[in-house]
Amino acid sequence: KAGVTQTPRYLIKTRGQQVTLSCSPISGHRSVSWYQQTPGQGLQFLFEYFSETQRNKGNFPGRFSGRQFSNSRSEMNVSTLELGDSALYLCASSPTTGEINIQYFGAGTRLSVL
Amino acid sequence: GEDVEQSLFLSVREGDSSVINCTYTDSSSTYLYWYKQEPGAGLQLLTYIFSNMDMKQDQRLTVLLNKKDKHLSLRIADTQTGDSAIYFCAEASGGSYIPTFGRGTSLIVHP
Repeated sequence: KAGVTQTPRYLIKTRGQQVTLSCSPISGHRSVSWYQQTPGQGLQFLFEYFSETQRNKGNFPGRFSGRQFSNSRSEMNVSTLELGDSALYLCASSPTTGEINIQYFGAGTRLSVL
Repeated sequence: GEDVEQSLFLSVREGDSSVINCTYTDSSSTYLYWYKQEPGAGLQLLTYIFSNMDMKQDQRLTVLLNKKDKHLSLRIADTQTGDSAIYFCAEASGGSYIPTFGRGTSLIVHP
């Protein structure tokens, strides 16, 4: 079974631009979560999608948004990029809807904002 | 809110045991996890423990949970250079079951 696939692996953008990151979950997984990983803040939860609906949301500004498609693939978008948005963005998929929430992570997209 | 604390670094000699510690604040934590992150990769689940257990063993890995003190530890027996990585502790509680992660402990294994 293929793992969680994130594209692209690396991105360089400038301040003020917007960016879209993509995540293909493991086949059969309906829950997709997004995290931002930085040296200073560690892993911060962005949002979780299940069956095309945002089910949980972290404490990030509205510039960060996401969506999930009917095939469970997910995208996240960051608008009006700031220098502080430079981070590794991780996507995780999960086979269950609650209780034990074992997440399977992709390798991430490293975003650099200049 | 919930908080998970870990020490940032641990250095051990190859063949020794490693013990990585974690404390958490949410008394309603139901599941506690240990993840491993190697350079350039995402997080990989190593093991997890339910809050009604106090120990779980899986090959070279032993997880100990002291629920009263909200303390979790991961022991790696016979540590190898391939175990060098960042280890994350995470907890999840009822409701969303979204894990809250610690900042990770960087394990360095010397030959």
